[in-house]
Amino acid sequence: NAGVMQNPRHLVRRRGQEARLRCSPMKGHSHVYWYRQLPEEGLKFMVYLQKENIIDESGMPKERFSAEFPKEGPSILRIQQVVRGDSAAYFCASSPARVETQYFGPGTRLLVL
Amino acid sequence: KQEVTQIPAALSVPEGENLVLNCSFTDSAIYNLQWFRQDPGKGLTSLLLIQSSQREQTSGRLNASLDKSSGRSTLYIAASQPGDSATYLCAVTYSGGSNYKLTFGKGTLLTVNP
Repeated sequence: NAGVMQNPRHLVRRRGQEARLRCSPMKGHSHVYWYRQLPEEGLKFMVYLQKENIIDESGMPKERFSAEFPKEGPSILRIQQVVRGDSAAYFCASSPARVETQYFGPGTRLLVL
Repeated sequence: KQEVTQIPAALSVPEGENLVLNCSFTDSAIYNLQWFRQDPGKGLTSLLLIQSSQREQTSGRLNASLDKSSGRSTLYIAASQPGDSATYLCAVTYSGGSNYKLTFGKGTLLTVNP
């Protein structure tokens, strides 16, 4: 059973471009969580999704950020018009149910030039 | 505000030493507390999870304790090894409607010197 997969592992974007981060949860997991780790900061919750539904997006910046978890395919975290402050490691986690243990992926390191 | 604090921020010890990492949280209404290990450029590996009703959990050389009343948890590592070098993160899930949301501390960077 493969773990949580994230791609790309590293992503470089210039200011103003779009970044798309993908997360494939563990097999049998229908709950996905995104966290962001800014330099010198702890991981911060961004959004919680269940298949086709956003359950809690209270940690997402109000503008430029969006997330989805379609019926088929990976969860996508999309950042439009990236700025240097978006440079961070973005981690995805999945669980089989709402309050079960979350399993983390290796993260995507986003660098905005 | 629900915050998680870890001290020290960094710790360097010689191989073989026993050590303690500390985690404190501001709200005692926790659902569970988890200790993770993070290696450079890698994801998070769960080490131990303590439910709010438990006082401690053990796995091999690791022992984690939980004291809700004082808002503290400790991670004890016995007979440390160079392979234990990593950043250790403490994360709390609070009771209530958001009991899926992990609140992390900034971590303790541990270096075990051979």
